[in-house]
Amino acid sequence: DAGVIQSPRHEVTEMGQEVTLRCKPISGHDYLFWYRQTMMRGLELLIYFNNNVPIDDSGMPEDRFSAKMPNASFSTLKIQPSEPRDSAVYFCASSVEDTQYFGPGTRLTVL
Amino acid sequence: AQTVTQSQPEMSVQEAETVTLSCTYDTSESNYYLFWYKQPPSRQMILVIRQEAYKQQNATENRFSVNFQKAAKSFSLKISDSQLGDTAMYFCAKGANSKLTFGKGITLSVRP
Repeated sequence: DAGVIQSPRHEVTEMGQEVTLRCKPISGHDYLFWYRQTMMRGLELLIYFNNNVPIDDSGMPEDRFSAKMPNASFSTLKIQPSEPRDSAVYFCASSVEDTQYFGPGTRLTVL
Repeated sequence: AQTVTQSQPEMSVQEAETVTLSCTYDTSESNYYLFWYKQPPSRQMILVIRQEAYKQQNATENRFSVNFQKAAKSFSLKISDSQLGDTAMYFCAKGANSKLTFGKGITLSVRP
């Protein structure tokens, strides 16, 4: 298995622009998670899905953030409009039997 | 709040020696899992080892083993025969109800 796939690996954008991060979970995993990691705040859970349905989005910082999972093999995290404080590494993870496997992350820089 | 505590911010070990990373946690669940994840400079989060709370036997994965003390809510990671590639940040995590709670992590440096 290829593991969790995320794209892009690096994204540099300007404040105000829309950013879309993509994730392909491991086949057969029924949970998908989006995390954000910064030096100041560590790892934060933003939102997670079970069988493509959002279960808990209480970690989404603002209405500027949205996430979708249209099918079992694809999810997106969108930030619109982006701000410099959104600069972070964003991880997607999928799980089976309570064990989460992480993607390589997307390093987002908002100028 | 459910917490995972890693009280040591950083540690250093000589190559080929053994090092133990500490972790304590708080939980109200009877059914939960414990994990150690490794994050090298590449930033990839890599699962190192997993322990089911209902199992008394300590998990082992090659050079990595845990000391799980359920009553004390302690879950330490022992790395034997440390290698330069073990240099990374290590996160302890508790899993319950499908979610993970992470500790703040510890930076481990392996000296040649």
